[in-house]
Amino acid sequence: QKEVEQNSGPLSVPEGAIASLNCTYSDRGSQSFFWYRQYSGKSPELIMSIYSNGDKEDGRFTAQLNKASQYVSLLIRDSQPSDSATYLCAAPNFGNEKLTFGTGTRLTIIP
Amino acid sequence: ETGVTQSPTHLIKTRGQQVTLRCSSQSGHNTVSWYQQALGQGPQFIFQYYREEENGRGNFPPRFSGLQFPNYSSELNVNALELDDSALYLCASSLAAVPYEQYFGPGTRLTVT
Repeated sequence: QKEVEQNSGPLSVPEGAIASLNCTYSDRGSQSFFWYRQYSGKSPELIMSIYSNGDKEDGRFTAQLNKASQYVSLLIRDSQPSDSATYLCAAPNFGNEKLTFGTGTRLTIIP
Repeated sequence: ETGVTQSPTHLIKTRGQQVTLRCSSQSGHNTVSWYQQALGQGPQFIFQYYREEENGRGNFPPRFSGLQFPNYSSELNVNALELDDSALYLCASSLAAVPYEQYFGPGTRLTVT
């Protein structure tokens, strides 16, 4: 069973600080990872995808992938109260077209 | 650009009944995936449709079935509803070229009593 694991939180971060969200995965063959943001009562929204080792930056968001450690993270710089949400990490399961999600980390930005 | 839409938004059914949920994919997207999300959990993959055929399935029993239509819209059918089927059902569309960059609809909240 290929798994994606996240700390469920809650993670509380002061406004303006850097929020760091982490995800580990069990399948060494995983090549790509996706971060989704889900506000309470809403559906997931794709915010970042990363396909290669290293960092990928998009505005205030940076995704980091370390395949050797089987670890992917999402950094949110200059955190805003509007960043308060659950963040889901996902990885594909090649062969059956399945996208496997972690249970999500609940992030709260404290004004 | 039209986003993913789902209907209905909420539904209450009785155990043993059957339900059909509907999804219209984002404009230009030809692949549709369905997920079940229980409270406090991540979405669980049910199945994916591409070119009107099932293109992958998760660990769900056969009473969960689906269809995709020529316009890429899709239906999820669940027979013999059980209490544990109560969840948020999410539809996501994507391009076949990048099937894992998925865009979700607002979901259908199903309650089985």
